[in-house]
Amino acid sequence: AQSVTQPDIHITVSEGASLELRCNYSYGATPYLFWYVQSPGQGLQLLLKYFSGDTLVQGIKGFEAEFKRSQSSFNLRKPSVHWSDAAEYFCAVGAGNAGNMLTFGGGTRLMVKP
Amino acid sequence: EPEVTQTPSHQVTQMGQEVILRCVPISNHLYFYWYRQILGQKVEFLVSFYNNEISEKSEIFDDQFSVERPDGSNFTLKIRSTKLEDSAMYFCASRPQGPSREQYFGPGTRLTVT
Repeated sequence: AQSVTQPDIHITVSEGASLELRCNYSYGATPYLFWYVQSPGQGLQLLLKYFSGDTLVQGIKGFEAEFKRSQSSFNLRKPSVHWSDAAEYFCAVGAGNAGNMLTFGGGTRLMVKP
Repeated sequence: EPEVTQTPSHQVTQMGQEVILRCVPISNHLYFYWYRQILGQKVEFLVSFYNNEISEKSEIFDDQFSVERPDGSNFTLKIRSTKLEDSAMYFCASRPQGPSREQYFGPGTRLTVT
């Protein structure tokens, strides 16, 4: 069965600082990987995805993520955080079958200090 | 930009009552999903639906739950006899046919069972 671990429950960074959110997955085949962001009281917005090709993927809002098969990781990065990036971030892995249920990690809550 | 919509945004019901949560997926999408998020916990898959039938369901999705696409645009989740532990945010998602497998989420319905 697939699983996702986000080791950091909370992270606080200063505005303008760089950010890396960790994600490790367990899946038997090549995974479909996603990062979603959830602002308070809102739904889930897709930041970026990986399913094949270049292992460094670019997303919206200046985010990027790198797929490392050897480490079973898909860490999310941003070079300079803005106060509006404060939210909860979820990593998810999708199964390869047609149904493609997503399995989510527990989330990382990002706080941004002024 | 097309988006998934859900109604109501908040539903309060008494234990033992039936509830129906409604979703309008993006119009050209073919795969439909329900997820739930209990307060403070991770997002959990409930069910996927394709070609007018359930394609996959989780252990959570027991006989108290059912899904339907009654009219070609709406996608509903019914809980026949609600329990206190059904209190959660319920998210609908949809995706088109194709390789990328990204799912588009609605804003959610907060269900409170008293």
